[in-house]
Amino acid sequence: DAKTTQPNSMESNEEEPVHLPCNHSTISGTDYIHWYRQLPSQGPEYVIHGLTSNVNNRMASLAIAEDRKSSTLILHRATLRDAAVYYCILRDLGFGNEKLTFGTGTRLTIIP
Amino acid sequence: GAGVSQSPSNKVTEKGKDVELRCDPISGHTALYWYRQRLGQGLEFLIYFQGNSAPDKSGLPSDRFSAERTGESVSTLTIQRTQQEDSAVYLCASSPRGGGGSSDSYNEQFFGPGTRLTVL
Repeated sequence: DAKTTQPNSMESNEEEPVHLPCNHSTISGTDYIHWYRQLPSQGPEYVIHGLTSNVNNRMASLAIAEDRKSSTLILHRATLRDAAVYYCILRDLGFGNEKLTFGTGTRLTIIP
Repeated sequence: GAGVSQSPSNKVTEKGKDVELRCDPISGHTALYWYRQRLGQGLEFLIYFQGNSAPDKSGLPSDRFSAERTGESVSTLTIQRTQQEDSAVYLCASSPRGGGGSSDSYNEQFFGPGTRLTVL
C-alpha cells in the first residue's frame, strides 16, 4: 500500500479553521484518499474521501493537490468535539481490496 | 438505528488463557472487518469477511488468532494461548458491502467501540 505522512500533532483554537496536511508522494492513479478520525475512547469514524477533485461534506472539506501527492483536510470552524486523531489513508478501490491501512495519524488538540 | 456493538468492552485475562471477542455488525451489512490497535498506534487490519466468500485472513499475526462469522451476522474473534503482546483494543467494523467500484459506490466502514484486552 502507498504510504502517507502526517504530522504527529497539531493544535488549533476553537472556532478557527484547521488545515490538516497529508503527504502521499507514492500515490497511484487508482488510489482514493480517505480520512477517518478517532475520538477519544471510540472507534474511528469516516470523515471524507476523494480522488482528484476537491470534496465538501457536512463535516469537512478535502483539498487535493493537482499532482495528487498531497492533500489537506479542512475543518472550517473547529469545535472542542473535533479533538481527535485524524488518519489519512490511501485505498485502491479496485475490487478485492477492502481493508484500510492506518498510520499513526495527527492528534488534533482544540484550545478553548 | 443501532451501530456496531462489541462485547465485552473490557477483558482482563491471564497469559496462556483463550479469549473470545464478539462483534455484532449493523443489520444488513455484508462486509465485516477486525482490526487491532496497540497503545498509541494506528489500527492494524486482521481479517475481513464479505458475504459467503472466503475470508481475507492476511492480517492475522499468528495461528493463535482465528475468527468466524455466522452468515452475515455476528462474528467472533478467538485468541488462543494469549500472550502479553496481544494486549490491545480490538475493533470491529462493518460496511454495506466490501468496497470496490467508483467513488460514488464507496461504502464507509462503521466501527464499534472496541474491546480492550489486557493480558497479565
